[in-house]
Amino acid sequence: DAEITQSPRHKITETGRQVTLACHQTWNHNNMFWYRQDLGHGLRLIHYSYGVQDTNKGEVSDGYSVSRSNTEDLPLTLESAASSQTSVYFCASSGRGSSSYNEQFFGPGTRLTVL
Amino acid sequence: GQQLNQSPQSMFIQEGEDVSMNCTSSSIFNTWLWYKQDPGEGPVLLIALYKAGELTSNGRLTAQFGITRKDSFLNISASIPSDVGIYFCAGQQAGTASKLTFGTGTRLQVTL
Repeated sequence: DAEITQSPRHKITETGRQVTLACHQTWNHNNMFWYRQDLGHGLRLIHYSYGVQDTNKGEVSDGYSVSRSNTEDLPLTLESAASSQTSVYFCASSGRGSSSYNEQFFGPGTRLTVL
Repeated sequence: GQQLNQSPQSMFIQEGEDVSMNCTSSSIFNTWLWYKQDPGEGPVLLIALYKAGELTSNGRLTAQFGITRKDSFLNISASIPSDVGIYFCAGQQAGTASKLTFGTGTRLQVTL
C-alpha cells in the first residue's frame, strides 16, 4: 500500500547544529508540504513543493529550507537549530485527480527537541 | 497566517451521545476537509467536501459544506471511546493551488 513516512520519529539536537528531517511518499503525489504543530498554534505551513525542482515558502519558513530532487522525497533542513524550533513536524502530500487534488495525507510526525 | 475558527475548543461527552462541531471563516472556501488526530500520530483524513450544501457521511460521521461556503460542520453520532482525539477542519481557497488553511482543533473526550 502507498504510504508517507518520516524519519527520525524523535530527535534531540543542540542549538546551532544542522538537522535534516526526512519525508518519503509512495503515493506518486506531485505536491508535498511541511508543517509544524505547536500548542496554541495548530498546524502551520513551513515549505511546500508542487513538483521536482519546485519549492515555495510557507508562513513560517525562516530558519528552514527544502529541496525536491525527485517525486518521492522532500527533506526539511534546519540550517542552525534554535530552541524556538522545538516542535512536532509533519509532512503531507497530495496528488492529481479531479477531486482528490486538495486531499492531503499526513506522515506520522517527527518530534524535534532543540536543547 | 489565517486560521479557521473551530468550536467548541474542547468537549467532554458521554459514550452514546451525539457530537457536533463547526468551523467558520470570513473567507470563502472551495473545499472543506475534516481530519482526526490521535495522540502521537499524524492527522487522518475523515471526510472531504467539494460543493456548497454537500452532505457527506463516513460511518457515524456526517459533515456538511455550508451554503455560504464560509463554514462547515461535523457530526458524530453515538460516540464511542475511540472517538477521543483532536478534530481539525481544513479549507482550500480559490487561487491557493492545493494549500490548506487549518482550524484550531476541537479536542473530544468521551467518558464511559
